[in-house]
Amino acid sequence: AQSVSQHNHHVILSEAASLELGCNYSYGGTVNLFWYVQYPGQHLQLLLKYFSGDPLVKGIKGFEAEFIKSKFSFNLRKPSVQWSDTAEYFCAVNKYSASKIIFGSGTRLSIRP
Amino acid sequence: DVKVTQSSRYLVKRTGEKVFLECVQDMDHENMFWYRQDPGLGLRLIYFSYDVKMKEKGDIPEGYSVSREKKERFSLILESASTNQTSMYLCASSVRDRTYEQYFGPGTRLTVT
Repeated sequence: AQSVSQHNHHVILSEAASLELGCNYSYGGTVNLFWYVQYPGQHLQLLLKYFSGDPLVKGIKGFEAEFIKSKFSFNLRKPSVQWSDTAEYFCAVNKYSASKIIFGSGTRLSIRP
Repeated sequence: DVKVTQSSRYLVKRTGEKVFLECVQDMDHENMFWYRQDPGLGLRLIYFSYDVKMKEKGDIPEGYSVSREKKERFSLILESASTNQTSMYLCASSVRDRTYEQYFGPGTRLTVT
């Protein structure tokens, strides 16, 4: 079955540590890839997106993600996390021209001040 | 700014009751979506609509129905609520050809007792 996998359910880091959250998908063909973030008590919002071109995409708040087609991966990275990055992060995939997107199960990120 | 509002933040209903969850968006978006969010399962699509009176089943439509009589409003209906429908329900909307860029409401946490 087509799916999106986020293997880390809960990640705990100290401030200034580097972050990498894994995301793998199982679709063939052309896909669009996204990371959404849900800060405590806030709406789910788009963090960054990849459609085509440069496989390294930059989003808001210093986040970036790299699309590696051969590995079916779209990992999220940040070189130095802050306490305010505490949130739940969802990877999502949309097959090209499809009318819906599929979300991963989410990774809860906790940052120790 | 796109605004998606949901009628209630918290709702408590009894088993067997008919439950209506309302969602309104103010950006004239064609697409609207209903998801449920459960720990460890991420967001799962219940139903979506790409136009007034049009609807399509998502991944978990059983036990739910929807109504879209006006473009800005998308209702989720639980015909006979059950305890396994206790969850966070999220509504989202998007422009027709940008399904990937969804704007989410704050969510309704429904508890069925």
